[in-house]
Amino acid sequence: EAGVVQSPRYKIIEKKQPVAFWCNPISGHNTLYWYRQNLGQGPELLIRYENEEAVDDSQLPKDRFSAERLKGVDSTLKIQPAELGDSAVYLCASSLGGTDTQYFGPGTRLTVL
Amino acid sequence: KNEVEQSPQNLTAQEGEFITINCSYSVGISALHWLQQHPGGGIVSLFMLSSGKKKHGRLIATINIQEKHSSLHITASHPRDSAVYICAVCPVVGGSEKLVFGKGTKLTVNP
Repeated sequence: EAGVVQSPRYKIIEKKQPVAFWCNPISGHNTLYWYRQNLGQGPELLIRYENEEAVDDSQLPKDRFSAERLKGVDSTLKIQPAELGDSAVYLCASSLGGTDTQYFGPGTRLTVL
Repeated sequence: KNEVEQSPQNLTAQEGEFITINCSYSVGISALHWLQQHPGGGIVSLFMLSSGKKKHGRLIATINIQEKHSSLHITASHPRDSAVYICAVCPVVGGSEKLVFGKGTKLTVNP
């Protein structure tokens, strides 16, 4: 069975440019998470979806970040415009919900120049 | 102060050594996870614990709920165990779905 798929794996952009990340969760997993991980730190939750509903987006910087999960399966995370401080690894994870194990994708490493 | 503290931050061992990584947390939890992150970013879930002890191969994870402490042990360590090991907890307050992560312990096992 395929795991969580993310693309692209790496992205380098100049500041003020837009960028988008894509995530395909494990089939049947209703809960989807986007995390940001800065160098030397643990992941920090940006947004959590239950099906197509964003149930926790309290840590998402809404002035420049947006996310969607229109059909309750794939999700995209967008940054517009990107800033230097957005350089990080963006991780997507999915689970069956509750305290069930979260399965992580390989992440997208974003570098903003 | 972070809600989840790991020690040590960095650990270097020789192949074959017994390794212990510690995790302390300050909030009530419903579960604790140990995760492994290899260079390149991918994270793999090793254990989910709510009490006692779990073993998988050379990995052993224990948790003491009263002391708010967990340990991850690796027996007969091998260079392929080199990775960052992350402790994450599910706080009871704020919803059990939310994971709070430690900063990780970077393990290097030399041949």
